[in-house]
Amino acid sequence: DTAVSQTPKYLVTQMGNDKSIKCEQNLGHDTMYWYKQDSKKFLKIMFSYNNKELIINETVPNRFSPKSPDKAHLNLHINSLELGDSAVYFCASSQWNGYTFGSGTRLTVV
Amino acid sequence: AQSVTQLDSHVSVSEGTPVLLRCNYSSSYSPSLFWYVQHPNKGLQLLLKYTSAATLVKGINGFEAEFKKSETSFHLTKPSAHMSDAAEYFCVVSDQTGANNLFFGTGTRLTVIP
Repeated sequence: DTAVSQTPKYLVTQMGNDKSIKCEQNLGHDTMYWYKQDSKKFLKIMFSYNNKELIINETVPNRFSPKSPDKAHLNLHINSLELGDSAVYFCASSQWNGYTFGSGTRLTVV
Repeated sequence: AQSVTQLDSHVSVSEGTPVLLRCNYSSSYSPSLFWYVQHPNKGLQLLLKYTSAATLVKGINGFEAEFKKSETSFHLTKPSAHMSDAAEYFCVVSDQTGANNLFFGTGTRLTVIP
């Protein structure tokens, strides 16, 4: 019973393509997130969603768009992929008692 | 604003010797602090968390951390390193707003020498 699951685990694609990463949580948490880990291992918040409302959008290019069909899902769409988008993307969810991360999606843009 | 600074990008210890990974925090209020571990090509695992209860926090795998307000520190320690402890360690602070966003340090890579 995976608590936060992301698909796919690996994604290799060409520059200019549009791709999506899916995330689902079965914990009943109210808030979901996307974090990006760059090639130097630095992790940074991209988006937070609480009850399907976008709470915060950091300085992320508008090529990235989170979409939440319901409280248990937060998908990440990326348009016109660039080489610099190559990274590991982590989905997470939280409630008052803690955070749970997904296992990550390694995106490689070639 | 809240942030954490990990003072060492790389720490190397011999197996069986103590581990010390240093972290200083900056926060305008009483922070929630965490240590996460990431093994190579793996996800993030919570080691321990401080949320204004006891200042000495015990975590998994023999790790513990002490919250010192006077020093704004939250260093991670372990009495005896094991080969399986080799990984990347992140000190993290929560913004404690409605979004509860996490702000990560730059990480410390721990190498354990046999």
